[in-house]
Amino acid sequence: KNQVEQSPQSLIILEGKNCTLQCNYTVSPFSNLRWYKQDTGRGPVSLTIMTFSENTKSNGRYTATLDADTKQSSLHITASQLSDSASYICVVTIMNYGGSQGNLIFGKGTKLSVKP
Amino acid sequence: GAGVSQSPSNKVTEKGKDVELRCDPISGHTALYWYRQRLGQGLEFLIYFQGNSAPDKSGLPSDRFSAERTGESVSTLTIQRTQQEDSAVYLCASSFTSGGNTGELFFGEGSRLTVL
Repeated sequence: KNQVEQSPQSLIILEGKNCTLQCNYTVSPFSNLRWYKQDTGRGPVSLTIMTFSENTKSNGRYTATLDADTKQSSLHITASQLSDSASYICVVTIMNYGGSQGNLIFGKGTKLSVKP
Repeated sequence: GAGVSQSPSNKVTEKGKDVELRCDPISGHTALYWYRQRLGQGLEFLIYFQGNSAPDKSGLPSDRFSAERTGESVSTLTIQRTQQEDSAVYLCASSFTSGGNTGELFFGEGSRLTVL
């Protein structure tokens, strides 16, 4: 069954600290993986996309990694800021899935709270 | 327009009434998605439109829910005889799909529905 599991479900850290969010998937065949950030009361916004051949990609203080062999991705946030408080959603795209659900499998998200 | 536009942003209705939610996608985006997000929960797939193909309605929770999209333009999500459990934020997203590959999702800000 195609699934995307995220951990932890929620996380509280102090401002300035680093953190790592995890995404494990059992999706096949794999096309790509995206991390989205959803601020409270807003729609999700894409942070980064990882394709099969990419191991790491950075977007400012956000660094995503992908291990296609173990089917794991992580999102590392460096020097956290209060504005990083949000839900982070991992979305995996299935290749040639016949269009069902738009070929997208969503994780349930990790809720990050950054405290001063 | 510059982004995905949803209306109304907030809707309060009485149990048993019908509601209609509107989504105006980014011009040129062939794919359009509707998701439901209950308070503190992840995104729940409802329906997916891709060009002029038959929509994937597999996520609609009951026959009280329906959606339409004409071509690659505006979509409306209709909920008939609303129930209190329909209270949620309804998010619309659009993307450009090329060669069967799903691009980045661009989300609207959502329509918050409260059923009293």
